[in-house]
Amino acid sequence: DGGITQSPKYLFRKEGQNVTLSCEQNLNHDAMYWYRQDPGQGLRLIYYSQIVNDFQKGDIAEGYSVSREKKESFPLTVTSAQKNPTAFYLCASSTTGVSPLHFGNGTRLTVT
Amino acid sequence: GENVEQHPSTLSVQEGDSAVIKCTYSDSASNYFPWYKQELGKGPQLIIDIRSNVGEKKDQRIAVTLNKTAKHFSLHITETQPEDSAVYFCAASMVTGNQFYFGTGTSLTVIP
Repeated sequence: DGGITQSPKYLFRKEGQNVTLSCEQNLNHDAMYWYRQDPGQGLRLIYYSQIVNDFQKGDIAEGYSVSREKKESFPLTVTSAQKNPTAFYLCASSTTGVSPLHFGNGTRLTVT
Repeated sequence: GENVEQHPSTLSVQEGDSAVIKCTYSDSASNYFPWYKQELGKGPQLIIDIRSNVGEKKDQRIAVTLNKTAKHFSLHITETQPEDSAVYFCAASMVTGNQFYFGTGTSLTVIP
């Protein structure tokens, strides 16, 4: 089955620690995205990448970092600089041009 | 940048009735409008989309209408069923940049 796999589903970390969320896709999509979802705020774009070894900041990139070394992988690191990291994180991918996003099932990160 | 507003934030309907969710967008360059359904603990799934050269699109019990002049688009669900209960998101996108802008979501409850 083609799709996007996010792992783990739940993640717990202590404040001050960096944490990396995994996202893998086997859809052969060029573009990949990371969104953050908070109650009542919809989906906000953190980073996106349209090709390997290139990525752009979204609306809320501060405190986050990404890499795109392989087409199928787009890991997100939540650094200790992110002031409010507890949230539901969604990874997505799409082909280029006018096409929809395909989402993974998310990672719920809790930082205490 | 683009701004997408979505109303209502919550909606309760009796099983068998219709549900309508409305979105407005600000940037006339937006030309692709997908709708997503998100069930609890899962990622959003595309349910229907419309391009700016089309005024209406229907898929069984789901339809979307687009008014480019007024910059608004709507999701219509007829003959609602309990399994339609979920959070629905609208989005707007432009071909250039491949970015998506999401509404804040509508929590739909279908009462049996």
